[in-house]
Amino acid sequence: KQEVTQIPAALSVPEGENLVLNCSFTDSAIYNLQWFRQDPGKGLTSLLLIQSSQREQTSGRLNASLDKSSGRSTLYIAASQPGDSATYLCAVRGQGGSEKLVFGKGTKLTVNP
Amino acid sequence: AAGVIQSPRHLIKEKRETATLKCYPIPRHDTVYWYQQGPGQDPQFLISFYEKMQSDKGSIPDRFSAQQFSDYHSELNMSSLELGDSALYFCASSSDRDEQFFGPGTRLTVL
Repeated sequence: KQEVTQIPAALSVPEGENLVLNCSFTDSAIYNLQWFRQDPGKGLTSLLLIQSSQREQTSGRLNASLDKSSGRSTLYIAASQPGDSATYLCAVRGQGGSEKLVFGKGTKLTVNP
Repeated sequence: AAGVIQSPRHLIKEKRETATLKCYPIPRHDTVYWYQQGPGQDPQFLISFYEKMQSDKGSIPDRFSAQQFSDYHSELNMSSLELGDSALYFCASSSDRDEQFFGPGTRLTVL
C-alpha cells in the first residue's frame, strides 16, 4: 500500500527566502507525481506534474524534482512571498491502471512579511 | 480557462437524509474523479469514471454511489447520511488520465 509522507508538517519563513518542501513515498512504482497548493477551506490548485520518466519540472519560481528510485520528491520555492502561504500537498499515482492519487498530509507554509 | 464546476458549493443535511453532489468536468476531459477530505485530513480517493465507465474504486461506502452521464458530468449520491460524512467533497477531471484538475469542492455538513 502506497504511503506518502511530507516533511516538515509546518514551516514558517521570512519573505524572500528560498525553501524546500520534501515528499517521500514508499512504493517507487509510480505513474506520476503532482504537487498541489491548498488555501484554507478551498480547492486544490495543481502546481506541477512530474511523469515517472522525468527528473524535474519548473513553473515560474517553483521547481519540483523527482528521484523515483529513492522514493523522493522536492518542491523548491524561490524568493518566497506572503502570497505563497498555504498548505502544499504532494500526491502520487501508481502504475498498473490505478486512477487514484494518494496524498501526503501536506506542509503548511507561512511566509512572514 | 474553464475549470471544474461543482454544485452545490455548500450543503447542510440531517442524519439519514440523502445528498446529491454534481460535477462538471473541464470540456474535453474524459475522466472524472471524486475525493473526500475530512477536517484536517488529506483527500481520500472515492471513485473514478473514464468515458462513462467506472475505472477505479477506493474507500467509498456502500451508501454512496456515483455515475458519469453522456455529457460527461458526474453525480455522487449519498444516502443514509452520517455525522462522519461531513467533509469537503472534491471532483477532479483529466484528459488521457493525466494531470488531475480539481474543482472548488462541495462542503457537506451533516447535523
